[in-house]
Amino acid sequence: NAGVMQNPRHLVRRRGQEARLRCSPMKGHSHVYWYRQLPEEGLKFMVYLQKENIIDESGMPKERFSAEFPKEGPSILRIQQVVRGDSAAYFCASSPGDQPQHFGDGTRLSIL
Amino acid sequence: GESVGLHLPTLSVQEGDNSIINCAYSNSASDYFIWYKQESGKGPQFIIDIRSNMDKRQGQRVTVLLNKTVKHLSLQIAATQPGDSAVYFCAERAGGFKTIFGAGTRLFVKA
Repeated sequence: NAGVMQNPRHLVRRRGQEARLRCSPMKGHSHVYWYRQLPEEGLKFMVYLQKENIIDESGMPKERFSAEFPKEGPSILRIQQVVRGDSAAYFCASSPGDQPQHFGDGTRLSIL
Repeated sequence: GESVGLHLPTLSVQEGDNSIINCAYSNSASDYFIWYKQESGKGPQFIIDIRSNMDKRQGQRVTVLLNKTVKHLSLQIAATQPGDSAVYFCAERAGGFKTIFGAGTRLFVKA
């Protein structure tokens, strides 16, 4: 069984560009979560989605950030007009429901 | 509020000794707790979980203890090995699926 797959592993963007982070959940998992992690800190919840629906986006900034989990294809975390403060590791997790979340190895986003 | 914190940010143990990593939480409504291990450059890896109707749960070489009275949980690792060196996070859920992570404890295992 393949685990949670995130790509790219590393992404470099210049200020003002858009960043798209992809997450393919484990097979059979319909729940996807996105977290952000700064160096030497814990993971901060951003958003929780089920297929085609955003369930909880209380941790996601209101502007520039959006997430989707379409019926077909991976979940996408999109950051528009990136700023230096967006530099972080972004982790995706998935679960089949009320089960522990399984994490991918993250996307390291660097903003020049 | 949302707060899951750890008493010890860094823990150094001798190989073969037992390790105890502590975690305090502030939300008395939290009913599900999880411990994760994160190695450098990787995502968190599930270790063990416990629901609020239990006070102890054991896995392979690991035990989680939950004290709801003082809102504290701990992770015990028996016979700590070099491969256990990592950052350990406690996390909590208060209904639903939103998971709040603590700040983490870095475990160093000395050979």
